[in-house]
Amino acid sequence: SQQGEEDPQALSIQEGENATMNCSYKTSINNLQWYRQNSGRGLVHLILIRSNEREKHSGRLRVTLDTSKKSSSLLITASRAADTASYFCAPGTGGFKTIFGAGTRLFVKA
Amino acid sequence: GAGVSQSPSNKVTEKGKDVELRCDPISGHTALYWYRQSLGQGLEFLIYFQGNSAPDKSGLPSDRFSAERTGGSVSTLTIQRTQQEDSAVYLCASSLDGSRNSPLHFGNGTRLTVT
Repeated sequence: SQQGEEDPQALSIQEGENATMNCSYKTSINNLQWYRQNSGRGLVHLILIRSNEREKHSGRLRVTLDTSKKSSSLLITASRAADTASYFCAPGTGGFKTIFGAGTRLFVKA
Repeated sequence: GAGVSQSPSNKVTEKGKDVELRCDPISGHTALYWYRQSLGQGLEFLIYFQGNSAPDKSGLPSDRFSAERTGGSVSTLTIQRTQQEDSAVYLCASSLDGSRNSPLHFGNGTRLTVT
């Protein structure tokens, strides 16, 4: 497996705004997962998008995948203060090892 | 059902002492992972178990670190002769079968402070 690189490192927005985070990776993947980590807690799996999918939705989350650019984005619509957390992507290449980058720290101001 | 449980949630120890960190995975999950997270950083992969076997131990930082898993369930991460640089949050995760489409379920971690 390989490590994804999240961008930006930190993001501060107002409640109600949309938040977009990006993930880039280097080699071909089978899938890509996004996780959220609230302060002092473990990571929580949000969504998995397969390499043959271009877009996937889950509630207020929208994930896109562009395998030609080796990138993915996570969009959170109508953000809430409770969305304040760190977000990590994990590109999957078929191995068992899931590797995480440094994440994007999102702060949503009430 | 119950999630991944880690104990203790916090551990303060003196430099040079040994510590044991415990992880109870979700029942039925055959794959178990240990990660380390330093303050404000990403996750550093330590070791992975499939059943009781650890196919990849390459992430363990030094020979002071060891891990075992018994009965395909509980895992213990042991750090001998702790050093201050070992201070971090140690996270455990399990997944159903370790396959590429099997998401990881994390515990809330053990925060280790070495004084």
